Formats: sequence, C-alpha cells, structure tokens
Amino acid sequence: NAGVTQTPKFRVLKTGQSMTLLCAQDMNHEYMYWYRQDPGMGLRLIHYSVGEGTTAKGEVPDGYNVSRLKKQNFLLGLESAAPSQTSVYFCASSAFWSEETQYFGPGTRLLVL
Amino acid sequence: AQSVTQLDSQVPVFEEAPVELRCNYSSSVSVYLFWYVQYPNQGLQLLLKYLSGSTLVKGINGFEAEFNKSQTSFHLRKPSVHISDTAEYFCALSVKTSYDKVIFGPGTSLSVIP
Repeated sequence: NAGVTQTPKFRVLKTGQSMTLLCAQDMNHEYMYWYRQDPGMGLRLIHYSVGEGTTAKGEVPDGYNVSRLKKQNFLLGLESAAPSQTSVYFCASSAFWSEETQYFGPGTRLLVL
Repeated sequence: AQSVTQLDSQVPVFEEAPVELRCNYSSSVSVYLFWYVQYPNQGLQLLLKYLSGSTLVKGINGFEAEFNKSQTSFHLRKPSVHISDTAEYFCALSVKTSYDKVIFGPGTSLSVIP
C-alpha cells in the first residue's frame, strides 16, 4: 500500500495564479483532510470530507476550495494564490473521525511570490 | 473552545538521556489525545493516543505518555533517546462528539545531541 500520496511535492506560484493539489489514499478511508503547516502554529485544518461527494470547512478555509468526487481522492484548489498561502500543505485520511488515527501524506511545499 | 499548549518549542537533550515533552490542553468536553511525530521533510505519523482506560499509554519507538485529567496534561516521555528521535513532536486533541474539532499544538522540536 502506498498510503497517502500528494502531488506535487513542491511548487512555486506567482500571486494571482491558480493551482490544484491532489491527494490520493488507498486505504479505503472515509475521512480526508487538508491542513496547512506554518512555523510555530502547528497544523491548521483547511477543509475536510466525511465521504465521497461531501466537503466541509475547517479552521482556515478562506482562499481555498476542495472537491471529493471519488472516495480515494481529495483535491485542494487555490483560485488566486496570495503570498499568505505560502506554506506546507498536508493531506491526511482516517477511517472515522475523532478517535481514529490520521494517516498523513509527505506534504506539498508551496511558495507564492 | 479547545486549545493545546506545548510549553517548550525546542528541547535539546544528549543521546541516551531521558526526555519529557510537555503538553497541556483545555476543553470543557471529553477529548481524545494524541502525540504525532514528524521527521524532517516527512508527514506526521502517530506515536500514541489516549482514548480511555489506563492513563499510561505506550507507543512506538519506546515512547509513553500519561494522561492526567486533573492537571489537563498529556506529557510524552522516553527513558533513553537516540539520535533517530530528532524530530518535531505534536500533541493533538479531538473532541469526542464533534466532526470538526481536531486541534494540534504548535509542536516541540527535539534535538538529540551525540
């Protein structure tokens, strides 16, 4: 099993450009999440999904959109990138919420100039 | 509202010495508690978690943590660290009755000195 994979690993954008980050999991997990990690702030939840076709906002959703068209994939979109979105983005999945372990991807480093 | 505090942002320790990484939380409702580790340039992976029952939880790589409800703490310990334990450690909580309450602490950077 590959677990959770993320594409791309690194990206540089100019302000105003758009991009999509792809997350894929092969564990048949219902729940998937997108986090951003910034120095000294831990991980903050951007959006999450509790199943195919569902999405919900997390703690810091502004400037991002998501889609979960297939159970194994969770896409994070930036329509108009801003320097404040420079961060490391992690995708995670779990069988259920709350008490279950989250399995993380290797991360995507995004630099917005 | 819930919160997680990790009192030490950086902890240097000599190899084979014991270490304790501190975590305190605040919540008015029942929570589950987790410790995750992040090795350089990798994603997070679970070290251990407390759901219920015994307050002493054992995890991977020789780590253990003790849940103390009265002090709202969940400190992580290891009796003898190795160079390979150098990493970022995150304490996290999730609210038992909520679907969107997973909160991570700011992290503690553990540096093991040979």
